[in-house]
Amino acid sequence: AQKITQTQPGMFVQEKEAVTLDCTYDTSDQSYGLFWYKQPSSGEMIFLIYQGSYDEQNATEGRYSLNFQKARKSANLVISASQLGDSAMYFCAMREGPELTGGGNKLTFGTGTQLKVEL
Amino acid sequence: DVKVTQSSRYLVKRTGEKVFLECVQDMDHENMFWYRQDPGLGLRLIYFSYDVKMKEKGDIPEGYSVSREKKERFSLILESASTNQTSMYLCASSLSRESYNEQFFGPGTRLTVL
Repeated sequence: AQKITQTQPGMFVQEKEAVTLDCTYDTSDQSYGLFWYKQPSSGEMIFLIYQGSYDEQNATEGRYSLNFQKARKSANLVISASQLGDSAMYFCAMREGPELTGGGNKLTFGTGTQLKVEL
Repeated sequence: DVKVTQSSRYLVKRTGEKVFLECVQDMDHENMFWYRQDPGLGLRLIYFSYDVKMKEKGDIPEGYSVSREKKERFSLILESASTNQTSMYLCASSLSRESYNEQFFGPGTRLTVL
């Protein structure tokens, strides 16, 4: 079974509208972390937002917020007031377990969602 | 700003060649990672390192090896390149072992093996 599932290969949104990108995860660990990255067409991966499994509040960073529903094992990214520059591939990723010997933040990535913002 | 650089943006090699992909970070990060990215598969971890001369296998290490002789440099080696290793290769680094440290990525190397 996939550990990170992004079921939306592609999404379209009108400029200035909000959009939600879905991410569900599978883990038996109590301690884990969830990350969202953006990859524009230029190829670089840009970190957007992080949510720890013990964080009680949903993470927010500017126009990005993470809708964390622990019981449902979902960590959806919400982008408010979409801009043309938001057009990119978006990846959800998970770090499982507490700090481990040999690299505490190894990540498992989903397959990504291609977002296109239209005028 | 953290900077992660990769030796080449584009690389074309022939089957059977030995290929070196170099990655350098300038922020004294402990952890370094190599991923490959393929359409529909996302990013998959090949190898990572949490200290000089230390390495750990990721999810798809077969056909690859790595070297970390200095803290800032992490090399990915394809001992005998094959066509199924044609891919985008991304290097990343992170500050330390704490879980909340995000990974910083290089620009990627698009490798084509003919």
